[in-house]
Amino acid sequence: DTGVSQDPRHKITKRGQNVTFRCDPISEHNRLYWYRQTLGQGPEFLTYFQNEAQLEKSRLLSDRFSAERPKGSFSTLEIQRTEQGDSAMYLCASSSNRGDYGYTFGSGTRLTVV
Amino acid sequence: QKEVEQNSGPLSVPEGAIASLNCTYSDRGSQSFFWYRQYSGKSPELIMSIYSNGDKEDGRFTAQLNKASQYVSLLIRDSQPSDSATYLCAVGGSTDKLIFGTGTRLQVFP
Repeated sequence: DTGVSQDPRHKITKRGQNVTFRCDPISEHNRLYWYRQTLGQGPEFLTYFQNEAQLEKSRLLSDRFSAERPKGSFSTLEIQRTEQGDSAMYLCASSSNRGDYGYTFGSGTRLTVV
Repeated sequence: QKEVEQNSGPLSVPEGAIASLNCTYSDRGSQSFFWYRQYSGKSPELIMSIYSNGDKEDGRFTAQLNKASQYVSLLIRDSQPSDSATYLCAVGGSTDKLIFGTGTRLQVFP
């Protein structure tokens, strides 16, 4: 078990391009979360999965954002037609189904839209 | 009103002192409370969780929860320069989603 893995670590893209990020959770964790964090702010919830089911999506999330978790394993987060305001750290976290849960975060993907 | 509020700091304390970090939350139905430490450029790391009123101690860290006052705090005893980081308060409700505060930046000077 190597923790939560995110790929890539950094991504620079031109405005209007599509980007996709990948997250591999801790193997025994069935819950997976995506957050976004900008400088000086706390992580902002985007969406979360229990196994392959997407259970909640932030109302603040644009239709340009979509996430999947096929077969309840890894997850992808896609941003279409990127805007400069999408520049942020995208954090993935996973947790188990136990009552005493807490997230384990990955290292994050830093997106810069130019 | 923000759902989870923290003073952004910086909170500066001398090495060896007690650092006290505070957090208030708005949802009275909140059931779980967490403190995360985040070093600059790194992702958050879970350091404490607390679920019932009172104190919970783990090494140099003590989390305190008062649900009536909707208040949670983190005490760091014998603060070290390596404790210098941003401390994020996170609150969970009826779903598994955690709501984070903006964090308090702690600076421990020698």
